[in-house]
Amino acid sequence: EAGVTQSPTHLIKTRGQQVTLRCSPISGHTSVYWYQQALGLGLQFLLWYDEGEERNRGNFPPRFSGRQFPNYSSELNVNALELEDSALYLCASSLLTGGETQYFGPGTRLLVL
Amino acid sequence: QKEVEQNSGPLSVPEGAIASLNCTYSDRVSQSFFWYRQYSGKSPELIMSIYSNGDKEDGRFTAQLNKASQYVSLLIRDSQPSDSATYLCAVTGSARQLTFGSGTQLTVLP
Repeated sequence: EAGVTQSPTHLIKTRGQQVTLRCSPISGHTSVYWYQQALGLGLQFLLWYDEGEERNRGNFPPRFSGRQFPNYSSELNVNALELEDSALYLCASSLLTGGETQYFGPGTRLLVL
Repeated sequence: QKEVEQNSGPLSVPEGAIASLNCTYSDRVSQSFFWYRQYSGKSPELIMSIYSNGDKEDGRFTAQLNKASQYVSLLIRDSQPSDSATYLCAVTGSARQLTFGSGTQLTVLP
């Protein structure tokens, strides 16, 4: 069974640009979560989507947004990139009912110059 | 106060020894508890989940949960150099997202 997949693996952008990251959950999983792991800051929760709806968001500015598609894949968009957005962006998926265990994808490493 | 705290380490143990990793959490409504392993430059990999008080064993790994003390631990028996990684404690509560500790870096010395 395929795990969570993410694309691209690496990305370099400059300040002020916009970026879109993509995630495909494990087959059968309906919930997708996005986390940011910046150097020295640990893993921080960004967004949770389930059944196409945003269910919760972490303490991040509105320029971080996303969506979930009918096939449960998800996009994370970051507008007006800032240097401190440089981080590993991780997507995880889980079943909504009957299980909370989240499985992580390989991540997208974003560098903002 | 951080919501999830881990002994920051780094922790070094000799090969074959028991590694003990500890985690405390502040939210009493926390319901589910997880240990992830993260190798440098890689994404977190689930090791154990535990939901009720007591011990849960899986191979060389034992997770222990004490909700009254708001404490969860991970024991790694017969530690191997391949166990060298950062171990992340994570907790879910009324919201389903994971709240992570800062991680404990473990080094197993050959």
